[in-house]
Amino acid sequence: AQSVTQLGSHVSVSEGALVLLRCNYSSSVPPYLFWYVQYPNQGLQLLLKYTSAATLVKGINGFEAEFKKSETSFHLTKPSAHMSDAAEYFCAVKDGGATNKLIFGTGTLLAVQP
Amino acid sequence: KAGVTQTPRYLIKTRGQQVTLSCSPISGHRSVSWYQQTPGQGLQFLFEYFSETQRNKGNFPGRFSGRQFSNSRSEMNVSTLELGDSALYLCASSLETGGTYEQYFGPGTRLTVT
Repeated sequence: AQSVTQLGSHVSVSEGALVLLRCNYSSSVPPYLFWYVQYPNQGLQLLLKYTSAATLVKGINGFEAEFKKSETSFHLTKPSAHMSDAAEYFCAVKDGGATNKLIFGTGTLLAVQP
Repeated sequence: KAGVTQTPRYLIKTRGQQVTLSCSPISGHRSVSWYQQTPGQGLQFLFEYFSETQRNKGNFPGRFSGRQFSNSRSEMNVSTLELGDSALYLCASSLETGGTYEQYFGPGTRLTVT
């Protein structure tokens, strides 16, 4: 069965500092992995996706993630945090089979300090 | 192209009542999925519809039901509401071509049960 684990429910960084949000996956098949961001009182916005085409995936707003099969990881990074990056971030894996069902991690709330 | 729309955005109901939530997917998307988001349980998959057929169902009681119409619009219904049904209900649509599987989420319907 597919699952994802997000380490750190709360992460705080200073503006301009590196953002690193951790996600580890468990999958019995080659995974389809996603990062979503949720701002207060809004839905989920797709940041980026991994679909086996390339291990380093670039997304919107300067975010990127690297798929590492040996570490079963798909960590999200951004070189320089901006105040507007403060939000909750979710890692997700597509379930196996003919379905679009996503299995989400528990989320990481990112705070950006001035 | 317009995004996923959900109506209503906010809803207050009383225990024992029933409620119907509506979702209009992105034009051309045939797959619609529903998720429940609560602080305690996080993001949980409710069900998925594709071409008017339920393709997948999560682990929720039978009080939760849904349907999809020929224009891909979807509704979900919750009967005999309980306090624990208070949540943000998110709808997502997917184009599902080329093996990409990404889902685009609407802003959600915030349901409060009193």
